[in-house]
This record gives sequence, C-alpha cells and structure tokens, in this order.
Amino acid sequence: DIVMTQAPLSVSVTPGESASISCRSSKSLLHSNGITYVYWYLQKPGKSPQLLIYRMSNLASGVPDRFSGSGSETDFTLKISRVEAEDVGIYYCGQLLENPYTFGAGTKLELK
Amino acid sequence: EVQLQESGPGLVKPSQSLSLTCSVTGYSITSNYWGWIRKFPGNKMEWMGYISYSGSTSYNPSLKSRISITRDTSKNQFFLQLNSVTTEDTATYYCAKTYYGYNYWGQGVMVTVSS
Repeated sequence: DIVMTQAPLSVSVTPGESASISCRSSKSLLHSNGITYVYWYLQKPGKSPQLLIYRMSNLASGVPDRFSGSGSETDFTLKISRVEAEDVGIYYCGQLLENPYTFGAGTKLELK
Repeated sequence: EVQLQESGPGLVKPSQSLSLTCSVTGYSITSNYWGWIRKFPGNKMEWMGYISYSGSTSYNPSLKSRISITRDTSKNQFFLQLNSVTTEDTATYYCAKTYYGYNYWGQGVMVTVSS
C-alpha cells in the first residue's frame, strides 16, 4: 500500500497568517499520463470532508483561492494564505493512483 | 445539486453483517464512480471500495473477503455490505461520489459494533 505521511499532525495559526501542511508518499504519485494523483480534503468540525485540491494543484469548485497545492512526485504541500476562522478542522492528503486508495493521518488546524 | 444520504442501523452485533444504503439525488449513479469511505475514532480514514458507472466494483484488499458494494439504478441507490464485523469496524461511514477526487460526500452514519 502507498503510505501517506503528513506533517505536522497539528498546527496553530494566527488568523490572517499563512499555514503549510506537508504530505509525503511512499511511492511516486506521478502517472505516466503526466497527472499526479494527490488530493487534499478538509473536514470541518461536525461536517463531512470536502475536496479542496485535486491532482496536486487544481482548486476544487467553490474553494477559496487562499488554498493552493504544489509538489513533486512524492512530496506535496497544501498552503493556506490568510487563514480564517472557517479554515479550522482536519486536513487530509490522499492518493488515487492505485488500489487501495489511501489517506494521510490528518493535520488538525487550530487558531491561536 | 448533488446530494448523498447514508442510512442504516447505528448498532450492529459482532459477527453480524453491516448494511448501509446511499441514496443519491441530483445525479445518476450510472455516471462516475461511487465509493464508501470510513473514518475511525481517532481520525484515521480508510477507503473501502467503489462501484462504477457500469456496475463494476473495486475493493480494498484488506476487506476483500468481507465487503460487497451493489446498486439499484432504478432507485439511484448503492449499498454497502460488510460481513463478520468486529469492534474494529466501529466507525463513521461515508458514501461519496468520485470525479477528480471525492467531490461530494454524504453526511456520514456512525456505526457501532457492540454486543
């Protein structure tokens, strides 16, 4: 199985500041078709997960452009610019390259 | 608007089967892929499997001997059956639609396995 390792597991951010979450995969997520199959999700308290970023760097529909995704074949970053109160929750990276599709352990973002 | 809604018992006894329904509105399950994902206490997320637009399925090998995902296209529903459950299967179960990632999720149903 592809292991997704997130860091840090928790982060405390002052509103208005930026935050970065890292995710590393145990295998390259770059397919021969040129697509990198890494995704980012946010689960807000009491809510279902929502898709933030697909295929490493593409913003999902309705997601503020304060969110951005970047990376290489095995190392990925989610950046949140100008953190707001509504960004609180647990962030997960995940891969859809191969079965079984796997997720990271989650990073809890809190406000200072 | 696409909406997914899970339903099923919240309590299942060990060794029995867990059966959940995902009812979809606003989109036909004969398009795209439709999956089941669960979140354990402590935040770990596990992909369980999916059923495709054509009815083909793919399962997490860790569950392969116990899981079955089926559908009823006339009702626009798909189903999860997990056999021989143990307390380790206690989790919140989500159904989700896949298109460039899991872009629509149900609200989740908490299932406890306990005698």
